[in-house]
Amino acid sequence: QVQLQESGPGLVKPSQTLSLTCTVSGGSITNGSYFWGWIRQPAGKRLQWIGRVYSNGNTKYNPSLKSRVTISVDTSKNQFSLKLSSVTATDTAVYYCARVGDIFHNWFDPWGQGSLVTVS
Amino acid sequence: EIVMTQSPASLSVSPGERATLSCRASQSVSSNLAWYQQKPGQAPRLLIYGASTRATGISDRFSGSGSGTNFTLTISSPQSEDSSLYYCQQYNSWPLTFGGGTKVEIK
Repeated sequence: QVQLQESGPGLVKPSQTLSLTCTVSGGSITNGSYFWGWIRQPAGKRLQWIGRVYSNGNTKYNPSLKSRVTISVDTSKNQFSLKLSSVTATDTAVYYCARVGDIFHNWFDPWGQGSLVTVS
Repeated sequence: EIVMTQSPASLSVSPGERATLSCRASQSVSSNLAWYQQKPGQAPRLLIYGASTRATGISDRFSGSGSGTNFTLTISSPQSEDSSLYYCQQYNSWPLTFGGGTKVEIK
């Protein structure tokens, strides 16, 4: 079964760029049936969708973050990545990667275990 | 942006007593709604998609209903392991949005 694992620095300085990678195992990221997404959860707050990517690099972002977000895919490594620029303390959150339900329906399953990123 | 509102914020039920969670959308999302369960320190787990279809491996204690703007997640005969946070998510319109969650305690 497909499993996802986030990796990246747990501490980022304000104004710098947050970078996380999601490694997919148990399945190919080039499986044409799926998109791959990022979601975050600030402590005690609701989940926020960040964006999604297809294996050909096609992306869609949350408009509230679009100016600062880049999601990319590396099919050779079966990974996809998140970059969030000009971070502030409000970007402190647990960041999750997840597989999107299918190409028509954007629920998330499965999820990675999450990666806490603190901006300080 | 579609705002998802969940109620109640918290709910305490006895084992075997039915738990009913509500999720309301600020505009119609058709049946494009999912429910997730999240335990402390863990990632969310998909329970329901398409408003009423249980995800693979999910107990039939969990059932979803509704369409348009009003949705319900029902836990029939809850067990202690069902104590969790539950979130709804709409995927009818961009951006995708989540509800604020309902904390369920089985005591």
